[in-house]
Amino acid sequence: ETGVTQSPTHLIKTRGQQVTLRCSSQSGHNTVSWYQQALGQGPQFIFQYYREEENGRGNFPPRFSGLQFPNYSSELNVNALELDDSALYLCASSGTGQGLYGYTFGSGTRLTVV
Amino acid sequence: RKEVEQDPGPFNVPEGATVAFNCTYSNSASQSFFWYRQDCRKEPKLLMSVYSSGNEDGRFTAQLNRASQYISLLIRDSKLSDSATYLCVVISGGYNKLIFGAGTRLAVHP
Repeated sequence: ETGVTQSPTHLIKTRGQQVTLRCSSQSGHNTVSWYQQALGQGPQFIFQYYREEENGRGNFPPRFSGLQFPNYSSELNVNALELDDSALYLCASSGTGQGLYGYTFGSGTRLTVV
Repeated sequence: RKEVEQDPGPFNVPEGATVAFNCTYSNSASQSFFWYRQDCRKEPKLLMSVYSSGNEDGRFTAQLNRASQYISLLIRDSKLSDSATYLCVVISGGYNKLIFGAGTRLAVHP
């Protein structure tokens, strides 16, 4: 049973709309990362938050933004959705320094943009 | 060139076979190395960490060659339940981001 929960599990949006995905980190984990996994590909790093501050970002445009809250839950926001944004979005959490020993992933949100 | 590259799949093997997956990474400063397993339409789950000295967990053996920037995973006595996609993962950078390979799909058949 994973300690990281994501919502919603599935979502269908229209091109140009905005979407917010949510993640509750595993208890005691203060670092959260978001990944995008397109069909047939490995997950791609979007960004990471540590103690409510973004401290790393992958090669994604500014319309991908995020937040981390004091309870370490997190949101991923995507504006102006494009068809290519259709993917599985994964949230992963780790404790301080524990990233070096692996992350715990949520079960993901499958976003379809039509 | 991708930062982490894996053998193209799929690998189709009979039960009981031994199968090996290979992976190379481009950043010599990479710090940590893992194999993750991902079942169809599920999240990746940590299979094992990979250490320079090599490490084993039951039927699974992982090896790391830092000089060649090469990682391997050996699965002995394959089971039907081993069917999944295996992701080679490297940690690089100051904030410990995970860099994934595209994954290699394994299908074990009776």
